[in-house]
Amino acid sequence: QVQLQESGPGLVKPSETLSLTCSVSGGSISSNYWNWIRQPPGKGLEWIAYIYYSGSTNYNPSLRSRVTISVDTSKNQFSLKLSSVTAADTAVYYCARGYGDCVDSWGQGALVTVSS
Amino acid sequence: NFMLTQPQSVSESPGKTVTIPCTRSSGSIASNYVQWHQQRPGSSPTTVIYEDNQRPSGVPDRFSGSIDSSSNSASLTISGLKTEDEADYYCQSYDSSNDEVVFGGGTKLTVL
Repeated sequence: QVQLQESGPGLVKPSETLSLTCSVSGGSISSNYWNWIRQPPGKGLEWIAYIYYSGSTNYNPSLRSRVTISVDTSKNQFSLKLSSVTAADTAVYYCARGYGDCVDSWGQGALVTVSS
Repeated sequence: NFMLTQPQSVSESPGKTVTIPCTRSSGSIASNYVQWHQQRPGSSPTTVIYEDNQRPSGVPDRFSGSIDSSSNSASLTISGLKTEDEADYYCQSYDSSNDEVVFGGGTKLTVL
């Protein structure tokens, strides 16, 4: 059973870059694709981006200009960077596995607050 | 691009059956699998249905999924409702034309 765990700073200042890492255990990152999804307080789920183990990526068009996603197969981790953050980027950020049309195996989530 | 539309909320009594619809705005609902994710308050989502109608191990058979091409919708049906089923439910699919993951807006299920 694959498990995912997000890590990173819980507080980021406006205009700075949000950085999160997802550690994958119980399975290899060298298969499937790997997603970042966020949920603003009291709101629904928003897909941000995904990356294949090969490094191939795809992004939500609304966030594309500010998002970078990368993978480190040697550490079984993948990462998210979101630049020029504002209060609107305050959310719980989830990592999750993807295969075919499906998203499954969610992490516990990491709350990131954007505030000075 | 397509959207997945869900009702904001539904409610039903314990022991009853409830169905949550998820309507695809364009393209055939059968073109891509639909998944359903349950999110209890304060918790991360968990998948209760994948590939339209498959249950992950550990999910009770009270949960079932289906698609209906005539209404271009997917549905999650929960029978024998329990108070523990009270949660937000999100449908999810994949946009093959843009290679994007798509979520519905979520439905809050109240069991009272």
